[in-house]
Amino acid sequence: AQSVTQLGSHVSVSEGALVLLRCNYSSSVPPYLFWYVQYPNQGLQLLLKYTSAATLVKGINGFEAEFKKSETSFHLTKPSAHMSDAAEYFCAVSSRAGGTSYGKLTFGQGTILTVHP
Amino acid sequence: DSGVTQTPKHLITATGQRVTLRCSPRSGDLSVYWYQQSLDQGLQFLIQYYNGEERAKGNILERFSAQQFPDLHSELNLSSLELGDSALYFCASSYGGTYSDTQYFGPGTRLTVL
Repeated sequence: AQSVTQLGSHVSVSEGALVLLRCNYSSSVPPYLFWYVQYPNQGLQLLLKYTSAATLVKGINGFEAEFKKSETSFHLTKPSAHMSDAAEYFCAVSSRAGGTSYGKLTFGQGTILTVHP
Repeated sequence: DSGVTQTPKHLITATGQRVTLRCSPRSGDLSVYWYQQSLDQGLQFLIQYYNGEERAKGNILERFSAQQFPDLHSELNLSSLELGDSALYFCASSYGGTYSDTQYFGPGTRLTVL
């Protein structure tokens, strides 16, 4: 079975401050990990994806995430927050769980990021 | 714009009714996924189709069914609707339908059951 835990349902930062959104996963086999962003009244947009090619993954809009197997973590960071980063962020995992290869994504509960001027 | 389209954008109906949600995948994608997003359950995987055939089932109720047609568009049918079925329903698509694929999400259909 696979699962995702996002620590902190709400994170608030000032514009220009570091953004850190935490994600821990559980998977019995090597996982693929994703971060998606959801702006109000919109669908989910892919920020970045971990595929085991590199532990530090760079995504769109200045975001990056680091895969740490020993900590089973895949935290999302951005050095300097912009007002436009205010949205809800979801961490998700997929894997060859149970010997199958289908593409079910298991999502965390989401973290709402608020950016203050 | 992800290239995935969903209709309708909003749907308001009454308990006991039946509705159909439609999804067109990105050009070239063979697999379609349905997810439900609600305040209490979060984002939950419902079902996956690949090239017209069901590939995987998640937390989908027996009152719900789906299919993927030869032109690869998909429909999610929800029947005997209950208040608790009110949610945002997302469709996503990918090319290969495997665990390594990137899924691209549509804008969603917001279902309100009164």
